Amino acid sequence: EAQVTQNPRYLITVTGKKLTVTCSQNMNHEYMSWYRQDPGLGLRQIYYSMNVEVTDKGDVPEGYKVSRKEKRNFPLILESPSPNQTSLYFCASSLTSGHPYEQYFGPGTRLTVT
Amino acid sequence: KQEVTQIPAALSVPEGENLVLNCSFTDSAIYNLQWFRQDPGKGLTSLLLIQSSQREQTSGRLNASLDKSSGRSTLYIAASQPGDSATYLCASAGGTSYGKLTFGQGTILTVHP
Repeated sequence: EAQVTQNPRYLITVTGKKLTVTCSQNMNHEYMSWYRQDPGLGLRQIYYSMNVEVTDKGDVPEGYKVSRKEKRNFPLILESPSPNQTSLYFCASSLTSGHPYEQYFGPGTRLTVT
Repeated sequence: KQEVTQIPAALSVPEGENLVLNCSFTDSAIYNLQWFRQDPGKGLTSLLLIQSSQREQTSGRLNASLDKSSGRSTLYIAASQPGDSATYLCASAGGTSYGKLTFGQGTILTVHP
């Protein structure tokens, strides 16, 4: 089954404790992206990757890191999480031939930082 | 910086009505415009994607149009059903970088029997 998976689905952590949210897709998509969704602010793009070893900042990259060492994986790293990073996070992927095509989303990761 | 606005923020209609959801964007240099559906507590499901060279796309009871010159897209839902109740989001790809996606805040649709 074609899908985007995220782990964990739910995470409660404390301020400053490094964490990684994994994202994996099995569709051989070049493009992958991370978003956060907050009430009243909607979905905002954190980072995206057009292909392996190619990443770029979205609208809200501060406090996050990403890497794209393999085509199928695009982990999101929070080196020192803070309470304002409490949010619902989505990973997405798509084919691209110059620009993103239809985006496929993962189920989301709900992160709480206390 | 691209800004995407969706109107109305919420809509409640009786079953069977035809309805239109609106999406406007400030930068017309987009590569595509995509409509999504999001059910409570769930991820996003792609409904329709319109490339910048296209004017509309259709899938079943859904029809999406794109007018780049005026910075507008509409999602038309025919013969609405209670199962259509969800949040509908539009997103534009492009602007300063074709990898950047900008989302609207969504329209919360409720279709009551």
